[in-house]
Amino acid sequence: NAGVTQTPKFQVLKTGQSMTLQCAQDMNHEYMSWYRQDPGMGLRLIHYSVGAGITDQGEVPNGYNVSRSTTEDFPLRLLSAAPSQTSVYFCASRYKMLDSQETQYFGPGTRLLVL
Amino acid sequence: GQQLNQSPQSMFIQEGEDVSMNCTSSSIFNTWLWYKQDPGEGPVLLIALYKAGELTSNGRLTAQFGITRKDSFLNISASIPSDVGIYFCAGMEGAQKLVFGQGTRLTINP
Repeated sequence: NAGVTQTPKFQVLKTGQSMTLQCAQDMNHEYMSWYRQDPGMGLRLIHYSVGAGITDQGEVPNGYNVSRSTTEDFPLRLLSAAPSQTSVYFCASRYKMLDSQETQYFGPGTRLLVL
Repeated sequence: GQQLNQSPQSMFIQEGEDVSMNCTSSSIFNTWLWYKQDPGEGPVLLIALYKAGELTSNGRLTAQFGITRKDSFLNISASIPSDVGIYFCAGMEGAQKLVFGQGTRLTINP
């Protein structure tokens, strides 16, 4: 298994440009999430999905869109990038086993700079 | 939204020392998680806690789910150089939403 993969690793955008951050997992996990990490603020939830076709907003959803057409993929779209979206973005997938044991895996992250 | 206060923000210790860090919340969580993040990588799950009062170990790591369900503690015994990194607590809201603490940066002097 490749686990959770994210592309690209690094990206520089100009203000107003759009782009899609890709996330894929090959573990058949139902739950997937996007977080952003800023210095001194931990990780904050942007959007999440509990299964294909189902998405919901997290703590900081403004400026981001998501879709979940398949179990494997959960892309994050920035429609019009702003400097405030400069951050490190992490995708995560999760599967809760029957005996309540938690399993959650994070991808390696995408570092985004918006000029 | 929910806020988790994690302390201390940073720690500078000698190799071999024990480490303690904690998280507190203004609200109740049903699950507490502890993660470690190495530079340039995503967080890795260390310990998950599901019941108030639960004490769980993973090697030299021990974590506890506070009785009030509003706090959790992580202890690392006999620290080694590879323990360096940022440790995050997280509380789970409902079935999917995680709220993270600000992190504790651990530095170890050999």
